[in-house]
Amino acid sequence: GAGVSQSPRYKVAKRGQDVALRCDPISGHVSLFWYQQALGQGPEFLTYFQNEAQLDKSGLPSDRFFAERPEGSVSTLKIQRTQQEDSAVYLCASTPGLAGGGEQFFGPGTRLTVL
Amino acid sequence: GQQVMQIPQYQHVQEGEDFTTYCNSSTTLSNIQWYKQRPGGHPVFLIQLVKSGEVKKQKRLTFQFGEAKKNSSLHITATQTTDVGTYFCAESDSWGKLQFGAGTQVVVTP
Repeated sequence: GAGVSQSPRYKVAKRGQDVALRCDPISGHVSLFWYQQALGQGPEFLTYFQNEAQLDKSGLPSDRFFAERPEGSVSTLKIQRTQQEDSAVYLCASTPGLAGGGEQFFGPGTRLTVL
Repeated sequence: GQQVMQIPQYQHVQEGEDFTTYCNSSTTLSNIQWYKQRPGGHPVFLIQLVKSGEVKKQKRLTFQFGEAKKNSSLHITATQTTDVGTYFCAESDSWGKLQFGAGTQVVVTP
């Protein structure tokens, strides 16, 4: 496909379960971003990768959140021991270059509901 | 937290009317990007403004960056039902990390 893809599109988890969310960026895109979007709010930055290097993880809410991009393409956001406040849409975005500015291409998101 | 404030939070518009949504910051912005998110969809890039006083047009949409680079506006003329969605402004840092506003949700009445 030509765009950013994410899976699963919907995930329901019981409180305390671990979840893994996958992002496939546009082929060749160097930079990859994860955002969390609560209902009725704008996306909030979680973490940023340049190729396989995680350069900024300042937005991760707690040490229960972990992200990786081991081969510089696909990325996984893992949430351990999910809590109800983790319920949100998790968006992945990619850009072709190294520097900031310019269009970010967003995936469709994963809607996580924690019961 | 979100450092760019967007007003109004909600905008109800009659089809065919014009409206403007605003993005304000207490600090100087290096740039401003605008995104549109349809209901149930994901943010889609509309435009980026970088220069003080910059104005860009896309068909019925006019984007403006303030002279002091502390505010931006999006003006839509002759609103159509396809304009429904939430419009976000965001500042990009040097790596590309976006700081979004809370958005303006636009509802269009036929």
